[in-house]
Amino acid sequence: DTAVSQTPKYLVTQMGNDKSIKCEQNLGHDTMYWYKQDSKKFLKIMFSYNNKELIINETVPNRFSPKSPDKAHLNLHINSLELGDSAVYFCASSLRRGDQPQHFGDGTRLSIL
Amino acid sequence: RKEVEQDPGPFNVPEGATVAFNCTYSNSASQSFFWYRQDCRKEPKLLMSVYSSGNEDGRFTAQLNRASQYISLLIRDSKLSDSATYLCVVGVISSGSARQLTFGSGTQLTVLP
Repeated sequence: DTAVSQTPKYLVTQMGNDKSIKCEQNLGHDTMYWYKQDSKKFLKIMFSYNNKELIINETVPNRFSPKSPDKAHLNLHINSLELGDSAVYFCASSLRRGDQPQHFGDGTRLSIL
Repeated sequence: RKEVEQDPGPFNVPEGATVAFNCTYSNSASQSFFWYRQDCRKEPKLLMSVYSSGNEDGRFTAQLNRASQYISLLIRDSKLSDSATYLCVVGVISSGSARQLTFGSGTQLTVLP
């Protein structure tokens, strides 16, 4: 009965590959997010979707493409992975406004070889 | 200037000590404020919201000074289990009127036996 669940938890792959991370929430929230936490532990927002509509798209390479098939799911596809993409990616969700408390998934640890 | 600034620490304190963390934010239009806690290799979790009048939750007290754009967290009678990174989080309105949370880089606390 996990509230925000991400898969996979660990992802180890080679440079140049394409990979996807999935996220699902069962909290009834209508806004979902992707964050990147780098080696310096700084947590930075990448994308936000509200009811399947993209509302925040920070300066992120266009190799990163989010997709929201419905308001309970937000997936992240990454093309042509680079060494600098190594990080922990967190999915989160919240009710309505994006400046309200957000609930986080337990993260996907991406390592690029 | 970073949008949300925190002293990174680390703070190493003995069990039972009182410890205070400070945070400043740059956007005077910010309307929501939180403290999150992140354990090593885990996801951020909401510790408490911060209200203008100040608020308390057990051993934790949060204060907000809008004039100085300053937020604080006080932990009394610290426990070993309080060891974590404490993230100061501010709700902002980004370009295009989208609302989002901006995270500080965190203050690391270690409570020693």
